[in-house]
Amino acid sequence: DSGVTQTPKHLITATGQRVTLRCSPRSGDLSVYWYQQSLDQGLQFLIQYYNGEERAKGNILERFSAQQFPDLHSELNLSSLELGDSALYFCASSPRLAGGAEQYFGPGTRLTVT
Amino acid sequence: AQSVAQPEDQVNVAEGNPLTVKCTYSVSGNPYLFWYVQYPNRGLQFLLKYITGDNLVKGSYGFEAEFNKSQTSFHLKKPSALVSDSALYFCAVRLDAGNMLTFGGGTRLMVKP
Repeated sequence: DSGVTQTPKHLITATGQRVTLRCSPRSGDLSVYWYQQSLDQGLQFLIQYYNGEERAKGNILERFSAQQFPDLHSELNLSSLELGDSALYFCASSPRLAGGAEQYFGPGTRLTVT
Repeated sequence: AQSVAQPEDQVNVAEGNPLTVKCTYSVSGNPYLFWYVQYPNRGLQFLLKYITGDNLVKGSYGFEAEFNKSQTSFHLKKPSALVSDSALYFCAVRLDAGNMLTFGGGTRLMVKP
């Protein structure tokens, strides 16, 4: 158990809908990362927050947004969902902003868009 | 830009034999290198990392990796494979001053009894 929790574990929704994925980092970790894992794109970095502020952006679509709250949990919002958004979404956390600290991954949320 | 290549989609090895999972990277700066393992329906688990210092890094579950700057490689190794090592392995790179972790495509390791 990494100490990172993600809810829900599974999510099935229809095209055009909006969903929110939630992540709680390990105790004491200030940095939260979101990743998308799909068969065709592999594991891709989406966005990073550090202590409530956005710090790095990867291949995140404009339909997607995220935030980190004062209690350090984070939410990833996916809107106008398309079939191609079906994937496993991981949250990870680390204690620092950057550097050599490893990231600890949650169990993921499997999103299925029908 | 930074990138990671894992040239083998799958590696097959017999239990008890040594295993190697290959990784090469490309960065314009000093790299931090990581190996993660993913078991079915699970998140990624950290195995080991290279930051600086000794080129041979030891990690969890008997795995080790060798950093080779001239060949820009960071291959994962284990002297004696176990059936329970069968999983998906990811190599990742991060710049020392950067935030973004870039993953390779993953290599599926199959250890047969």
